[in-house]
Amino acid sequence: DAGVIQSPRHEVTEMGQEVTLRCKPISGHNSLFWYRQTMMRGLELLIYFNNNVPIDDSGMPEDRFSAKMPNASFSTLKIQPSEPRDSAVYFCASSLGGVTEAFFGQGTRLTVV
Amino acid sequence: KQEVTQIPAALSVPEGENLVLNCSFTDSAIYNLQWFRQDPGKGLTSLLLIQSSQREQTSGRLNASLDKSSGRSTLYIAASQPGDSATYLCAVRNSGNTPLVFGKGTRLSVIA
Repeated sequence: DAGVIQSPRHEVTEMGQEVTLRCKPISGHNSLFWYRQTMMRGLELLIYFNNNVPIDDSGMPEDRFSAKMPNASFSTLKIQPSEPRDSAVYFCASSLGGVTEAFFGQGTRLTVV
Repeated sequence: KQEVTQIPAALSVPEGENLVLNCSFTDSAIYNLQWFRQDPGKGLTSLLLIQSSQREQTSGRLNASLDKSSGRSTLYIAASQPGDSATYLCAVRNSGNTPLVFGKGTRLSVIA
């Protein structure tokens, strides 16, 4: 398996634009997590899904953020409209329940100017 | 609410030294604990996973221990090398299917 795949790797956008980040989890994994990493706050959980169902989105900072998982092999995180304070690295991770290790993608570095 | 703390925040050692990184968590009722490595500008690489019923896990020069009752884990790195320079992150899972809660990491520099 190629691991967790995220796209794009880098995104630079202007304030107010819509941004969509994509994630393909490891085949067979049933848990998917979106994290955001900044220097100040470290890694913060935004939302996670079990069996494609959102379980906890309390980490989503504002209504501007939304996430979907239409099937077991794809998830999106959307920010609309984007703001400069959204600039961070966004990671997607997947695991098979809590039994296995969680594996992370390479992240999407988002810069909002 | 689970909180994870890693001390020290940064560490610099000469090549060849054995070293210990510390991780503590506030809620001892964890499901498992995972250690990661992160190189600058890169993603997280899983190093070791310790289930709550285990006391330690080993992989090459790395050994991770877990003491649930005291809410602590240590990552021991033997015979450190410059290639070990990275940020090491500790994360705990409170139950199956729940997300990992991360510490802020220890930034390790191994000087040749």
